[in-house]
Amino acid sequence: KNEVEQSPQNLTAQEGEFITINCSYSVGISALHWLQQHPGGGIVSLFMLSSGKKKHGRLIATINIQEKHSSLHITASHPRDSAVYICAVISSGSRLTFGEGTQLTVNP
Amino acid sequence: DTEVTQTPKHLVMGMTNKKSLKCEQHMGHRAMYWYKQKAKKPPELMFVYSYEKLSINESVPSRFSPECPNSSLLNLHLHALQPEDSALYLCASSQPPQGREQYFGPGTRLTVT
Repeated sequence: KNEVEQSPQNLTAQEGEFITINCSYSVGISALHWLQQHPGGGIVSLFMLSSGKKKHGRLIATINIQEKHSSLHITASHPRDSAVYICAVISSGSRLTFGEGTQLTVNP
Repeated sequence: DTEVTQTPKHLVMGMTNKKSLKCEQHMGHRAMYWYKQKAKKPPELMFVYSYEKLSINESVPSRFSPECPNSSLLNLHLHALQPEDSALYLCASSQPPQGREQYFGPGTRLTVT
């Protein structure tokens, strides 16, 4: 079992839909990253959070440390949101442990 | 400036070639990282430099040789690679310790023929 599990692996939505991607982890962490990777490679850090909730534009990230669970929400989704979304946790030894990623496709 | 730059964007090399990948950041970060990413897989950590000293080597084969000439630059020297080393190589930087937010470069797409 991976230390970081994401669901779903693949997600297809229509433009305008509300999207949720989930991340569960099994180790103690100091913080959690949500990352976005577009085709062609570059990775962008969307959020780093260790408690509560953060919001940036149409993106919202929440984390529940007791339940070892985080969610990434996208409101009013748009085709340009199509990308791979990766959850990564910072655990002992300060290493980043990555989930397998969620491939999001938003159709117009 | 919150940018990490990597050159080249694409690299094709034969198994007998020697080449280098370069990474640069001007955010004053003192931790820099090399990751390898295969298609449809998450990045795998290769090396970490902290204050220009190699702090983590994830048992990477010696055909990959990292170098951190100063606090802004990170190189990855490649020699006698194998076709299975073909991948996207990503550089990242952060403030130490490693647990701080990492900023990633666009990557170098490497093909070994």
